[in-house]
Amino acid sequence: KQEVTQIPAALSVPEGENLVLNCSFTDSAIYNLQWFRQDPGKGLTSLLLIQSSQREQTSGRLNASLDKSSGRSTLYIAASQPGDSATYLCAVVTDSWGKLQFGAGTQVVVTP
Amino acid sequence: EADIYQTPRYLVIGTGKKITLECSQTMGHDKMYWYQQDPGMELHLIHYSYGVNSTEKGDLSSESTVSRIRTEHFPLTLESARPSHTSQYLCASSALAGGPNTDTQYFGPGTRLTVL
Repeated sequence: KQEVTQIPAALSVPEGENLVLNCSFTDSAIYNLQWFRQDPGKGLTSLLLIQSSQREQTSGRLNASLDKSSGRSTLYIAASQPGDSATYLCAVVTDSWGKLQFGAGTQVVVTP
Repeated sequence: EADIYQTPRYLVIGTGKKITLECSQTMGHDKMYWYQQDPGMELHLIHYSYGVNSTEKGDLSSESTVSRIRTEHFPLTLESARPSHTSQYLCASSALAGGPNTDTQYFGPGTRLTVL
C-alpha cells in the first residue's frame, strides 16, 4: 500500500529565505507526483505536476524535483514571501484512473 | 481559477439529520471526486465517479452515498449524521481525456461539517 510522508510537518522562516519541502513515497510505481497549496478555509490549488518520466518542473519561484527510484520529491520555493504562508501538500497517482494519494502536508509560515 | 463550487461552505447540524453536500463544476469534466480531511491530516478519497451513472467507493470507508445523474453535479448524502462525521469535505474534478500521467484535479473550496 502506497504511503506518502511529508517532513517537516511545520516550518517557519523569515521572509527572503528559500523554502525546502520534502515528500517521500513508498511505492515507486507512480504515474505522476503533484504539489498543491491549501489556504485556510479554501480548497487546494495545483502548483506543479511532475510526470513519472520527468525529473523536475519549474514555475516561477517554484521548482520541484522527482527521484522515483528513491521515492522522493522536493519542492523549492525561492525568496519566500509572507504570501507563501500556507499548507503544502504532496500527492502521487498510482492507478490509471488518476486517483490521488496525499501526504499530511507541511504548514509553512513566512514571517515579515 | 477552476470553476468548481461547493455548498454550503459551513454546516452545523444535530445528530440524526439527513444532509446533502452539493458539488458542481462548469468545466465539463467527466471525473469527479469526494475527499474527507480531518485537521492536520491527509485527504482521503471516499467516493469517485468517471461519468454519468458511474460511482465508486474510495480508499476510506464512508457511510455517505453519492450520485451522478448529470455530468456537472456530484452530491454527497449522509442519511443520518453523527458526531464522527464531523470533518471537512472537499470535491474535485478532472478531465477524463487527461490520462494518469498529466491529469490535474481541480478542487472546490470545501464544506466544513460539524455534527453536534
